[in-house]
Amino acid sequence: SQTIHQWPATLVQPVGSPLSLECTVEGTSNPNLYWYRQAAGRGLQLLFYSVGIGQISSEVPQNLSASRPQDRQFILSSKKLLLSDSGFYLCAWDNRGWANVLTFGAGSRLTVL
Amino acid sequence: SQQGEEDPQALSIQEGENATMNCSYKTSINNLQWYRQNSGRGLVHLILIRSNEREKHSGRLRVTLDTSKKSSSLLITASRAADTASYFCAPNSGGSNYKLTFGKGTLLTVNP
Repeated sequence: SQTIHQWPATLVQPVGSPLSLECTVEGTSNPNLYWYRQAAGRGLQLLFYSVGIGQISSEVPQNLSASRPQDRQFILSSKKLLLSDSGFYLCAWDNRGWANVLTFGAGSRLTVL
Repeated sequence: SQQGEEDPQALSIQEGENATMNCSYKTSINNLQWYRQNSGRGLVHLILIRSNEREKHSGRLRVTLDTSKKSSSLLITASRAADTASYFCAPNSGGSNYKLTFGKGTLLTVNP
């Protein structure tokens, strides 16, 4: 069966510190991978998506970056966190089918102080 | 990609009642999907309706699609406290615009 893992689940970081959130998918190969952010009171914002190893597209210019070093691994990073980076980060994948149905991870809650 | 807009933003009902949520979008679609998000959790796919379908059922869920009005509705019948969650629609234009984006959703509260 296919599963998606995200970690850490919760993170409290000071302003200016680095960030690394990791997402891995099991049970499928060559998925499309996505990072979304959900800020309090706002919708889900698509941050990055990837169609293959090393292929990253950014939807919104920001303080964050993403990498896909392996087929089923997607990493969200920042060199220096801002207060505005606080939020709930969700990783998702789809199997490239015509419908693009997304399967989401459980999320990572980031609080920047 | 295009974002759906859910309405109302919040809905509070009693257990056993039906809940209806609406979604509007702007450009033509390949399909439209509905997702649920329990508090503090990831989204879960509920149901997909294709652009050439007008209605679809899955258990207590009923989805309608009116492409002429660019709108969809999600009906949850005989609601339960466990249905309390946020509900999001995701219009999918397909092709090169396959990336799903989401609005603020409808927060449904089902009171026991």
